[in-house]
Amino acid sequence: GAGVSQSPRYKVAKRGQDVALRCDPISGHVSLFWYQQALGQGPEFLTYFQNEAQLDKSGLPSDRFFAERPEGSVSTLKIQRTQQEDSAVYLCASSSGQPGGVGYTFGSGTRLTVV
Amino acid sequence: GNSVTQMEGPVTLSEEAFLTINCTYTATGYPSLFWYVQYPGEGLQLLLKATKADDKGSNKGFEATYRKETTSFHLEKGSVQVSDSAVYFCALTLANAGGTSYGKLTFGQGTILTVHP
Repeated sequence: GAGVSQSPRYKVAKRGQDVALRCDPISGHVSLFWYQQALGQGPEFLTYFQNEAQLDKSGLPSDRFFAERPEGSVSTLKIQRTQQEDSAVYLCASSSGQPGGVGYTFGSGTRLTVV
Repeated sequence: GNSVTQMEGPVTLSEEAFLTINCTYTATGYPSLFWYVQYPGEGLQLLLKATKADDKGSNKGFEATYRKETTSFHLEKGSVQVSDSAVYFCALTLANAGGTSYGKLTFGQGTILTVHP
């Protein structure tokens, strides 16, 4: 597609439920990032993929968070046993891999509300 | 570690007013600096960038100059429009960290701008 697509757009989960958030990057984009944006804050880095390889997961807040990109295109961010503090907008971005952080395209995000 | 600090918002202006949103940074190494904009209901969009000291980024009437001596990258626009109402984020990435740089962004907390007719 022309842009980065994320689904669902909104997700309400009961505390303790598992959720899966999907990201469809721009076709051919090598780099894929996940960010977490809490209400009123800037996005914070979660994890980075280069093709199917997860090269950096230093931003994942706990072992309840897991991300994969098995075929180097679509990525899924999974959160197990959701907690209220997981409520945030989860942003996906893809890039062709140009250096210096240029050439990013962000998706519109998935707003997760844990009740 | 790396960090970005933006002026507190929200900022409310009348149309055609002058805009400044302050941004300062702390970084190890030589960062590239960015301003992103988030319009309601839309994804983050790159507004402008500067990759080395004294570079000026510009787009859509917005400007920002990379000031290494003051570690700043303030956003300015001479005459704002209602359509500029959005959330603005200052961000940095390390341009070259021993070959391991891949563009991970560090963002400020964002500044909400509202422009009234």
